[in-house]
Amino acid sequence: GENVEQHPSTLSVQEGDSAVIKCTYSDSASNYFPWYKQELGKGPQLIIDIRSNVGEKKDQRIAVTLNKTAKHFSLHITETQPEDSAVYFCAASITKAGWGKLQFGAGTQVVVTP
Amino acid sequence: GAGVSQSPSNKVTEKGKDVELRCDPISGHTALYWYRQRLGQGLEFLIYFQGNSAPDKSGLPSDRFSAERTGESVSTLTIQRTQQEDSAVYLCASRLAEATDTQYFGPGTRLTVL
Repeated sequence: GENVEQHPSTLSVQEGDSAVIKCTYSDSASNYFPWYKQELGKGPQLIIDIRSNVGEKKDQRIAVTLNKTAKHFSLHITETQPEDSAVYFCAASITKAGWGKLQFGAGTQVVVTP
Repeated sequence: GAGVSQSPSNKVTEKGKDVELRCDPISGHTALYWYRQRLGQGLEFLIYFQGNSAPDKSGLPSDRFSAERTGESVSTLTIQRTQQEDSAVYLCASRLAEATDTQYFGPGTRLTVL
C-alpha cells in the first residue's frame, strides 16, 4: 500500500521567513496530494491540494510543488505569520469513483516566532 | 451550511467498556471516512463508506472496531471492550464524491480509556 514520509517533524521559523515541508510517497498510482493544517483541538483543514497532472500550484502565500518522477511533493509558505503556527500534514491518495482514502504523513509542527 | 459534526467531543471510559462515536457529515456528501489520530502522530485510515456500496473496512485494527452508516447520513463508530491503546482522537471526514476529491474533517472525538 501507499506510504507517505514527511520531513521535518518540527520547524521553527522567524516571522517573515519562508517554511518548506517535504513529503515522499511510494505508490506511483497516487494522483491526489492534499495538505492539511491542524490547530490544537481542531480537525484538519485543507489548505491546498495538487493533482498529478500539475507540477505546481499557488494560493497567495502558500504553494505546493510535485515531482512525479521522484515521487515527492513540497509545501512552501512564504512571509510566515504567527497564525501559521500549527501542525501540517501531507497526504496522498488514488482517486477514482469509490475510493479516495488518504494516506497521511506523520505531520510537521511549525512554530513561527515573532 | 454546517460542516462535519462529531459527538461527543470528549469521551472517558474504563477499559473493557464499549463506546459509540457519532459523525454527522455535510448534507449531500455521499462519501464518509473515519480516521484515528494517536497523540503526536498522523491520521490512520479506518473505514470508508460510499453510498450504498459495501464499506471499505481495510483499516480497522481489530474486530473490536465496527462502523455503520444510515443511508448517506449519520455514521457510528463502535469500539467494543476498549483497551488503553484505543485512546486517540477519532476523526470523521465527508466528501462530495464524484465531484471533488476534497475531504472535510470534523473536530474529532477525543477518547481516553483508563
